[in-house]
Amino acid sequence: DAKTTQPTSMDCAEGRAANLPCNHSTISGNEYVYWYRQIHSQGPQYIIHGLKNNETNEMASLIITEDRKSSTLILPHATLRDTAVYYCIVRGGADGLTFGKGTHLIIQP
Amino acid sequence: GAGVSQSPSNKVTEKGKDVELRCDPISGHTALYWYRQRLGQGLEFLIYFQGNSAPDKSGLPSDRFSAERTGESVSTLTIQRTQQEDSAVYLCASSLAPGHLNYGYTFGSGTRLTVV
Repeated sequence: DAKTTQPTSMDCAEGRAANLPCNHSTISGNEYVYWYRQIHSQGPQYIIHGLKNNETNEMASLIITEDRKSSTLILPHATLRDTAVYYCIVRGGADGLTFGKGTHLIIQP
Repeated sequence: GAGVSQSPSNKVTEKGKDVELRCDPISGHTALYWYRQRLGQGLEFLIYFQGNSAPDKSGLPSDRFSAERTGESVSTLTIQRTQQEDSAVYLCASSLAPGHLNYGYTFGSGTRLTVV
């Protein structure tokens, strides 16, 4: 059973903000939202995670709706090197990470 | 080391041969995971080690696949009698204990296995 739903692909112009949506309508109270990305031919890379508050780090911002049923990953100034598959994952307790198909983000020059 | 190290980075083997893939996790990370990623596909969970607990083997696709971990350090994934369908990138990740939800996984660069 998929815990998250993401668009298959998205385009974004270089220098603009990339906003990647994720639906997780069945998320439970102790589950965190994690984002990873995988650049071609590399292992997945951790980006950010959050529980209910919005989070920001040097890579991205994570906006979680008040009901926690959806979230948006924001890359504020996308570059060509941000082209990758972005995975939104819901995880709680001792669960491992279950990767769905993710969103293939293509940054256009 | 600073990251998760996997070896070899590439392996070509003949169908029917056994292969061993190695993963060195980040020092102090008690949790270790193996995933498989076939060409153009998502990541499939294979097996998970946490400290001295019995591993979670629920993702292993057949009894030809096995994995071991020595304490909280190196892990080896063994595939016996390899088949062409085993061709994939095998990724290892480590993290602090899973109870530490406030922490992500660190992945290695993977081993690309090609069975010919």
